[in-house]
Amino acid sequence: DTEVTQTPKHLVMGMTNKKSLKCEQHMGHRAMYWYKQKAKKPPELMFVYSYEKLSINESVPSRFSPECPNSSLLNLHLHALQPEDSALYLCASSQVGGQKSPYEQYFGPGTRLTVT
Amino acid sequence: AQSVTQPDIHITVSEGASLELRCNYSYGATPYLFWYVQSPGQGLQLLLKYFSGDTLVQGIKGFEAEFKRSQSSFNLRKPSVHWSDAAEYFCAVGVSGNQFYFGTGTSLTVIP
Repeated sequence: DTEVTQTPKHLVMGMTNKKSLKCEQHMGHRAMYWYKQKAKKPPELMFVYSYEKLSINESVPSRFSPECPNSSLLNLHLHALQPEDSALYLCASSQVGGQKSPYEQYFGPGTRLTVT
Repeated sequence: AQSVTQPDIHITVSEGASLELRCNYSYGATPYLFWYVQSPGQGLQLLLKYFSGDTLVQGIKGFEAEFKRSQSSFNLRKPSVHWSDAAEYFCAVGVSGNQFYFGTGTSLTVIP
């Protein structure tokens, strides 16, 4: 199984709502990533978890809160978002450095988020 | 600082013509190099990767890429483009600490 799944596919939320994005992989990868992607732009790294610990936080606003409950799951909790946060949110996973094929990232299909 | 440059923002080719997409990177050591493709509204699909060894790597969908250390380049090629290849192409670099850097992307249009 080389699939990364993300739910929901689409999400519309108001600026006062609280919602969560979910990501799951069963490839035994110990690194998981959240990216934000605007139209016609490359993905921007938000967070990296390595062995279920947050290892990289690219100065993301606190209205985005990641969580890694176990090695297969990654959540992104959303609260009090702004319209400019509307984007495609991509999850990815990879093996960690020192393993075979490190850094080769497998991406999910993304969640299209619209903030109204 | 690490960086990945894709000099061509947009390329248009005729179906059946050859294709080359350019990628240059800036990193102190040889990084792990990747090419991804993204169709509109979709996630990213890995086309090919280079870690070490043979500098010409083959990927899916008939793509290949050549690593040239002296030029810090990892250009993507395809001998004959199909209409279904129209998409956004991203070069990427993976470095220690699970850091991952994307280039700005090249948008490919294929005309009949």
